[in-house]
Amino acid sequence: AQSVTQLDSHVSVSEGTPVLLRCNYSSSYSPSLFWYVQHPNKGLQLLLKYTSAATLVKGINGFEAEFKKSETSFHLTKPSAHMSDAAEYFCSAADRGSTLGRLYFGRGTQLTVWP
Amino acid sequence: DTEVTQTPKHLVMGMTNKKSLKCEQHMGHRAMYWYKQKAKKPPELMFVYSYEKLSINESVPSRFSPECPNSSLLNLHLHALQPEDSALYLCASSQVIIGQGYTGELFFGEGSRLTVL
Repeated sequence: AQSVTQLDSHVSVSEGTPVLLRCNYSSSYSPSLFWYVQHPNKGLQLLLKYTSAATLVKGINGFEAEFKKSETSFHLTKPSAHMSDAAEYFCSAADRGSTLGRLYFGRGTQLTVWP
Repeated sequence: DTEVTQTPKHLVMGMTNKKSLKCEQHMGHRAMYWYKQKAKKPPELMFVYSYEKLSINESVPSRFSPECPNSSLLNLHLHALQPEDSALYLCASSQVIIGQGYTGELFFGEGSRLTVL
């Protein structure tokens, strides 16, 4: 089974500054990894995914994440925060080729963007 | 815009009521999910349907009854709920590739906000 740890429950940045949201995973299998964003009273939207191709993954809205197997990390970054980025972000993992369809979520990181 | 549609968006019910949440997707996905999400928490898996068959029930109380009438529709029937069942209920779908299993990428609806009085 997978285990996902989001290291920060809350991150605050100023508009125009870089964003870093940290995620570590723990698994004995090769995982598929995902970042989802959730705006208030909305469902989850997929930002990006890693499924064993390039280790640097580019997603929507200027976000990217780098898979580092040696560090078991999949941190989410964005060079310049925008006010519209303020939301809850969830890192998640799945066993690649799983026959169970189970997705493991981290606890979430609330991103606040100050003007 | 989401390709997974959930109705109703908001539902208020008493503890003796019977109601249903509905979910529909037309992406040809053969796996569909119900998640429960409390405020400031990650979604918690409730049920997984694969090819219209229930494959995972995460020990959910029987007052929640899922149904998958066909590959595009997923229902959650609610009866005799408790106030602590108030939450955002999210439906999701994903591809299942023959011989490779689940892709892991879920497509979520916007959720049904349930309040139990």
